[in-house]
Amino acid sequence: AQSVTQLDSQVPVFEEAPVELRCNYSSSVSVYLFWYVQYPNQGLQLLLKYLSGSTLVESINGFEAEFNKSQTSFHLRKPSVHISDTAEYFCAVSDYTGNQFYFGTGTSLTVIP
Amino acid sequence: NAGVTQTPKFQVLKTGQSMTLQCAQDMNHNSMYWYRQDPGMGLRLIYYSASEGTTDKGEVPNGYNVSRLNKREFSLRLESAAPSQTSVYFCASSGPWRGGQIGELFFGEGSRLTVL
Repeated sequence: AQSVTQLDSQVPVFEEAPVELRCNYSSSVSVYLFWYVQYPNQGLQLLLKYLSGSTLVESINGFEAEFNKSQTSFHLRKPSVHISDTAEYFCAVSDYTGNQFYFGTGTSLTVIP
Repeated sequence: NAGVTQTPKFQVLKTGQSMTLQCAQDMNHNSMYWYRQDPGMGLRLIYYSASEGTTDKGEVPNGYNVSRLNKREFSLRLESAAPSQTSVYFCASSGPWRGGQIGELFFGEGSRLTVL
């Protein structure tokens, strides 16, 4: 079975500052990794995903995440955050079947003006 | 361009009452899922259906039943609601796995259920 740990439940950061949201996973098999974002009163939306190939993946709105197999991590970073990035962020893992996705407990990012 | 549609969006039940949450997707996806979201616990999988006609238990199936009515629809039923089932419920779907590429999850907007 897989599991996901998001160590930081809340991350406050000033506007235009950099941010890192941490995600670690455990699995005995190869996995696929995802970051989802949830804005207030909405469902989750895919931010980015790692399936194979380059270990650095990017989203269209400036976020990036790096898959580190040795450290079993998939941390999410953004060099300069905006007010509109305020949301809940979830790290998720799926096994090779894609039938089950396991989510972390989420990190609430608050961008302070 | 509806994607995944859930009904109802809000529901209040008394302990012991039953209800069904409905979910439909218009993306021709094979797989559908029901999750519950609770503060500090993230999303937990209740049931999933990898294809029409099949359903499987997830992490927290007790107290729930599901029906994959057809490829589009996947319903979640609470036969005898309990206060512990107060939560936000999300339906999701994902496309087929092609050539090593896995489909992402598409979520509905959620159904907020309160059991008194």
